[in-house]
Amino acid sequence: NAGVTQTPKFRILKIGQSMTLQCTQDMNHNYMYWYRQDPGMGLKLIYYSVGAGITDKGEVPNGYNVSRSTTEDFPLRLELAAPSQTSVYFCASRTTRGGGNHEQYFGPGTRLTVT
Amino acid sequence: DAKTTQPTSMDCAEGRAANLPCNHSTISGNEYVYWYRQIHSQGPQYIIHGLKNNETNEMASLIITEDRKSSTLILPHATLRDTAVYYCIVAGRGANSKLTFGKGITLSVRP
Repeated sequence: NAGVTQTPKFRILKIGQSMTLQCTQDMNHNYMYWYRQDPGMGLKLIYYSVGAGITDKGEVPNGYNVSRSTTEDFPLRLELAAPSQTSVYFCASRTTRGGGNHEQYFGPGTRLTVT
Repeated sequence: DAKTTQPTSMDCAEGRAANLPCNHSTISGNEYVYWYRQIHSQGPQYIIHGLKNNETNEMASLIITEDRKSSTLILPHATLRDTAVYYCIVAGRGANSKLTFGKGITLSVRP
C-alpha cells in the first residue's frame, strides 16, 4: 500500500491564483481530513469527510473548498490564494473499523507559498 | 474535546528512557488519550492511544493515572531518530470527533 499520497510536494502561487491540492489514499478508509500547519504551530483542521459525498467544515475552512466523489480521493481547492494561506498542508485518513479509533495516517504534506 | 497541557521541550540521552508528561484534567469518561509525533517536516505519525488502562506497543508505552487527569508517554530506549515534536491529544469516539493538535513537546535526544 502506498498509504496517503499528496501532490504537489511544493508550489508557489501568486496572490489571486487558484489551485487544487490532491490527496489519495489506498487503504479504503472512509474518513479523510485536511490540515494546515503554520511555522512553529500545531495542525489546524480545515475540512473533513466521513465518506464519499459527505464533507464538513473544520476549524479554519475559510478560503478553501473540498469535494469527495470517491472513497480514495479528497482534493482541497484554493480559489483566490492569499498570503495568509502560505502553510504546509497535510491530508490524513482513518478507518472507523474497530470502534472509532483515531489512528490517522498522514501524507507527506504540500508546502505552499503565496506571494 | 478536552484540552491538554504539555511542557514546551525536554531532552534525554540516547539509550535512556524518555518520559513525556501530559495533563488533561478536564478529560471526560468517553475520551481517549492519543499520542502522535512529527519528525521534522514530515506528516504526524500515530504512536499509541488509551482509555484508562496502560498500553504498550512496539513504539512506546502509555501510562494513564487512575483519575485519568494526566498521562505519560514512555519511549524505553530513545534513539536520535526519536527527536521530534510529540503531541498529546484527547478525543472522543463519535463520528464527528476530531483531533486537536496543540504545539506539542519537542523532544531532543542527545548522543
